[in-house]
Amino acid sequence: AQKITQTQPGMFVQEKEAVTLDCTYDTSDPSYGLFWYKQPSSGEMIFLIYQGSYDQQNATEGRYSLNFQKARKSANLVISASQLGDSAMYFCAMREGWTNFGNEKLTFGTGTRLTIIP
Amino acid sequence: AAGVIQSPRHLIKEKRETATLKCYPIPRHDTVYWYQQGPGQDPQFLISFYEKMQSDKGSIPDRFSAQQFSDYHSELNMSSLELGDSALYFCASSLAGGDEKLFFGSGTQLSVL
Repeated sequence: AQKITQTQPGMFVQEKEAVTLDCTYDTSDPSYGLFWYKQPSSGEMIFLIYQGSYDQQNATEGRYSLNFQKARKSANLVISASQLGDSAMYFCAMREGWTNFGNEKLTFGTGTRLTIIP
Repeated sequence: AAGVIQSPRHLIKEKRETATLKCYPIPRHDTVYWYQQGPGQDPQFLISFYEKMQSDKGSIPDRFSAQQFSDYHSELNMSSLELGDSALYFCASSLAGGDEKLFFGSGTQLSVL
């Protein structure tokens, strides 16, 4: 079964609008972490935001916020006031079940390509 | 702030040749991860090192090997290259058990002709 599911292969959003990128996850581990990364056409993988499974509040980083619904196993990324520079591929990823240092690898979803329209 | 440095940025090789990719983690980070991202694919975990010892292994072919050196930089060695090895190779670093964030380098784009 897919551990990370991103159901939106592509999205088109008008500039200045808010956008929500969906991510659901599957794990039986009580301790896990959820990440969002942005990958522009230039290829680099840019860290955006992190949410730990025990965090009580939703994570926020500037225009990015993570809508964490633990019971639903969803971790949607919300971008407020979208900008042209937000056009990129967005990956949701999960870290789970690490048992020792250095065993904290990420599993990625298939990504959502976001295009901001002027 | 210093980031993860990868070299080279681009690499073109012929089939059956060898390639070496280098990764310099963020200062104080003790863990390095290697990922492979094929065209239009999500990144796939290859291998990781913590304190210069291999800590985890993913879908890394036997033709590939890697190590982490005393200065914490890491190298991914790829031999008998195949066309299917063409991909973007990322290195990421973190501070094990402390900072939860995993930071990626800009990647090495490997093209096998």
